[in-house]
Amino acid sequence: GAGVSQSPRYKVTKRGQDVALRCDPISGHVSLYWYRQALGQGPEFLTYFNYEAQQDKSGLPNDRFSAERPEGSISTLTIQRTEQRDSAMYRCASSPTSGGADTGELFFGEGSRLTVL
Amino acid sequence: AQSVSQHNHHVILSEAASLELGCNYSYGGTVNLFWYVQYPGQHLQLLLKYFSGDPLVKGIKGFEAEFIKSKFSFNLRKPSVQWSDTAEYFCAVTWYSSASKIIFGSGTRLSIRP
Repeated sequence: GAGVSQSPRYKVTKRGQDVALRCDPISGHVSLYWYRQALGQGPEFLTYFNYEAQQDKSGLPNDRFSAERPEGSISTLTIQRTEQRDSAMYRCASSPTSGGADTGELFFGEGSRLTVL
Repeated sequence: AQSVSQHNHHVILSEAASLELGCNYSYGGTVNLFWYVQYPGQHLQLLLKYFSGDPLVKGIKGFEAEFIKSKFSFNLRKPSVQWSDTAEYFCAVTWYSSASKIIFGSGTRLSIRP
């Protein structure tokens, strides 16, 4: 399809395991965002990229979280040594604009629901 | 720190009632403002946006929002709601000073009684 694709849609893992969440943005979109959303809360900013450059990672909770977008398209959010508090919906969004004053509409994927046991 | 506040966590209305959902943001200079909606079982999608110009903006499905700079507010309105408006509504803001970082409010769940 033409939308933002995230995988896996659901991931159940044991505490201490590493997980990798993948985001395939809309073709040609410049910016890519990662958000985390707990139940009953709004999306919490984690990080964003313009092309392959990570412009802002101030929302990553700690150094167990990292993200990359090596070729300016697909992005991976990696959580090392997962903890129960990492359980949440992880949402990816892409945008056709490069940001600043032109920051525009975000196109969201379906999300990856992570459960850490 | 930059923040976005949505005062109503859950709003329940009857069909044909008027709607106003509040959104306030912290001071930080020039902003772009958005409302997103998430219908049950669907992903977040843009309802409307304000970049500049007329502070009253119109979006899809009869929604509108008014930017009041002096109050740091961007409230969402609809004159007459329908059952199909049942959804969660999120206000989002980006400050020019923080490049493209987009901050979301905690959301308002809207339930419409048929």
